[in-house]
Amino acid sequence: AAGVIQSPRHLIKEKRETATLKCYPIPRHDTVYWYQQGPGQDPQFLISFYEKMQSDKGSIPDRFSAQQFSDYHSELNMSSLELGDSALYFCASSLDRASSGANVLTFGAGSRLTVL
Amino acid sequence: AQKVTQAQTEISVVEKEDVTLDCVYETRDTTYYLFWYKQPPSGELVFLIRRNSFDEQNEISGRYSWNFQKSTSSFNFTITASQVVDSAVYFCALSEATAAGNKLTFGGGTRVLVKP
Repeated sequence: AAGVIQSPRHLIKEKRETATLKCYPIPRHDTVYWYQQGPGQDPQFLISFYEKMQSDKGSIPDRFSAQQFSDYHSELNMSSLELGDSALYFCASSLDRASSGANVLTFGAGSRLTVL
Repeated sequence: AQKVTQAQTEISVVEKEDVTLDCVYETRDTTYYLFWYKQPPSGELVFLIRRNSFDEQNEISGRYSWNFQKSTSSFNFTITASQVVDSAVYFCALSEATAAGNKLTFGGGTRVLVKP
């Protein structure tokens, strides 16, 4: 079965540079979520999209932005990178937002960003 | 606001021992969903189980079992006859039935180390 695809898997950037992470949800899933997991931390919710519209927002820095495109893939753009942005970034997708809270999020393998 | 607490940061057992992971949650909603996810050393987040707040029936699935007690706001998870492949970080998570969808709030995770 198709899973959530994230790219790149690993990314190394310098401080103040920009990074873009991509996420391809499971086909027919209509909701995409982004999470950030720092070293030794639990995943923290950043932002979500339903049918290409932002549906919820968490602790996402102003330097970060995201969008969901017409083909349902999503991109997380991070600018003016800081050392503290080094983390594992997960994308997840689910189906049927109307079943609020109930649906299982399927996570991608994550994109590991290292900021030097 | 919801909160998930996993008091055990790390548990070490010898293969074939049972291991129980504790999870306590806080929410003001009457309808909510509880999840357990596993994060093996490879880094991906793997869904294990979901329970809704109206279903307190405990379940056994192979070597996994869950104990949901609404009266104490606990959702504990047990691995019976542990194996080395069970070594991973286990996250308990909560999702509230909000219009915004299925955002998960994770606990801090419990690292399980199963030694041969």
